[in-house]
Amino acid sequence: DAKTTQPNSMESNEEEPVHLPCNHSTISGTDYIHWYRQLPSQGPEYVIHGLTSNVNNRMASLAIAEDRKSSTLILHRATLRDAAVYYCILRGASYKLSFGAGTTVTVRA
Amino acid sequence: GAGVSQTPSNKVTEKGKYVELRCDPISGHTALYWYRQSLGQGPEFLIYFQGTGAADDSGLPNDRFFAVRPEGSVSTLKIQRTERGDSAVYLCASRSSSGANVLTFGAGSRLTVL
Repeated sequence: DAKTTQPNSMESNEEEPVHLPCNHSTISGTDYIHWYRQLPSQGPEYVIHGLTSNVNNRMASLAIAEDRKSSTLILHRATLRDAAVYYCILRGASYKLSFGAGTTVTVRA
Repeated sequence: GAGVSQTPSNKVTEKGKYVELRCDPISGHTALYWYRQSLGQGPEFLIYFQGTGAADDSGLPNDRFFAVRPEGSVSTLKIQRTERGDSAVYLCASRSSSGANVLTFGAGSRLTVL
């Protein structure tokens, strides 16, 4: 599976936007970009996914670079409940998700 | 049920004992996954079922680990002769064959081997 690279940690202030980068330079043409997050003591939770076009849902936005070698998850207004580990994952045809270490997001009140 | 249910939520056992962990997926979800998560790390893939059969068991670490899904719904992860290194949170997820093809995870079963 193609790998992703994310910063280990990011900090944000409450009610400010958070931009989480992800590099995936070896992405193949059929790989989807998935984001999951994991709150403390819970299982991972789906956030958003996309292939080529930018995507929006009630939780976040996903901006995908034109060459698809990087993407950014955008939390528009961070709340304390958004403090979690965020995982950027490439999903190929196998539907098997390979998680890395993710980015730990801390939100300051 | 409304979500993925895993039991027990916590299991403490002694080295060498046998352990079973159960997963009840979302009703109607045909695909079921098992992951293992050690402290401070991301989840590690173990096995994936499509219906009753294991479609990919490449993540099982050794032959002490085995999983079944006899009726295509509930799954059991079985660990024989447990070792201290097996201590982790075991996560189960299920996926519908239609729709967005995303995984819904349970809260996990925390296994501690003394």
